[in-house]
Amino acid sequence: EAGVAQSPRYKIIEKRQSVAFWCNPISGHATLYWYQQILGQGPKLLIQFQNNGVVDDSQLPKDRFSAERLKGVDSTLKIQPAKLEDSAVYLCASSLESSGGSQIGYEQYFGPGTRLTVT
Amino acid sequence: DAKTTQPTSMDCAEGRAANLPCNHSTISGNEYVYWYRQIHSQGPQYIIHGLKNNETNEMASLIITEDRKSSTLILPHATLRDTAVYYCIVRRRGAAGNKLTFGGGTRVLVKP
Repeated sequence: EAGVAQSPRYKIIEKRQSVAFWCNPISGHATLYWYQQILGQGPKLLIQFQNNGVVDDSQLPKDRFSAERLKGVDSTLKIQPAKLEDSAVYLCASSLESSGGSQIGYEQYFGPGTRLTVT
Repeated sequence: DAKTTQPTSMDCAEGRAANLPCNHSTISGNEYVYWYRQIHSQGPQYIIHGLKNNETNEMASLIITEDRKSSTLILPHATLRDTAVYYCIVRRRGAAGNKLTFGGGTRVLVKP
């Protein structure tokens, strides 16, 4: 089974530039998450999608961050304009969580992350 | 979700059991204990979870005290590849409360 794919793996930009990250979750996983992990800290949830709807974006800095999950599969996370404090690893995760039937899995599977450096 | 307290770091010898403690004194009845680990430069990896019974899988064992206020993750035979940050997380199951709230975790160094 293929895991969660993310690209790019590394990105260096200057402050005030924009950047976008892409995530392809595990096939069939209904829920997709974006986390931000600053060096030395645990990951922090930015946004959670259930299919293509937003479940939780309470910690997403909406003045500069945006995310979408068109067609309930792939997702992109965008930062515009970037600040120095946005330097972090951006992790995408997915989980099964079928809303009906017997297959409900809450375990989250993480991608390798995108390391963003803002200079 | 209930907060957890873990030691900042610990060392263990290769081949020996590693016992990782976690306190979650404010856990409520519908909250599960989850453990994830994060190896350097990788995303977190699910290890195990439990509600009140002890659990075991191919990776580890989870021992939850009877009052559910603390738990211990046991890696039965630690290898060098088990060097990672281990996160103990308490959360409810169900779509509305399914987010993971990570703390600082325990940095485990397995030494030869």
